[in-house]
Amino acid sequence: GAVVSQHPSWVICKSGTSVKIECRSLDFQATTMFWYRQFPKQSLMLMATSNEGSKATYEQGVEKDKFLINHASLTLSTLTVTSAHPEDSSFYICSASTDEAFFGQGTRLTVV
Amino acid sequence: GQSLEQPSEVTAVEGAIVQINCTYQTSGFYGLSWYQQHDGGAPTFLSYNALDGLEETGRFSSFLSRSDSYGYLLLQELQMKDSASYFCALLAGSARQLTFGSGTQLTVLP
Repeated sequence: GAVVSQHPSWVICKSGTSVKIECRSLDFQATTMFWYRQFPKQSLMLMATSNEGSKATYEQGVEKDKFLINHASLTLSTLTVTSAHPEDSSFYICSASTDEAFFGQGTRLTVV
Repeated sequence: GQSLEQPSEVTAVEGAIVQINCTYQTSGFYGLSWYQQHDGGAPTFLSYNALDGLEETGRFSSFLSRSDSYGYLLLQELQMKDSASYFCALLAGSARQLTFGSGTQLTVLP
């Protein structure tokens, strides 16, 4: 099946710094990728839809200036958490779809 | 918008059969998917139903009734490794995005 690679798998950063998470589709081209956030013991919540060559579409309540999404090519989307705070600590997961959604490995972000 | 409901917890013993139900509401519909997630890991795809009926993949089967806005995941011959969270997810919307249910924590007892 298709492979989506996400990097890094975990990161610890200081409050106020920015963190970039990469999501790559390794064996197919993804015009659309999705970014989710998951808090412990909770479901995956869609944050934004990343469209190649255009602006991302953010879900209600997600700050677009805080969570910067760039989809510069058909195989790469990035999520940058700017000025991170402890409440941004979460599990971030990207996905790309053909007939099914393929997920990256996820990134566990801890802001200290 | 979309919403899904599924039980929060299910417990069963090894070798048993368990069914996890999912009801949904949506204004647009492409299909209903099921994902498994172990603690600390990413979701992995189990099954997808776009049409009514049963889809079987090994020990796992999934059923969909679009008229009832209802589906279920059936796990047979349960094994300890099946202990995980199971999410139903709606594929809907102009961007074909997934909306996840709240998840069902399955515990398999020896």
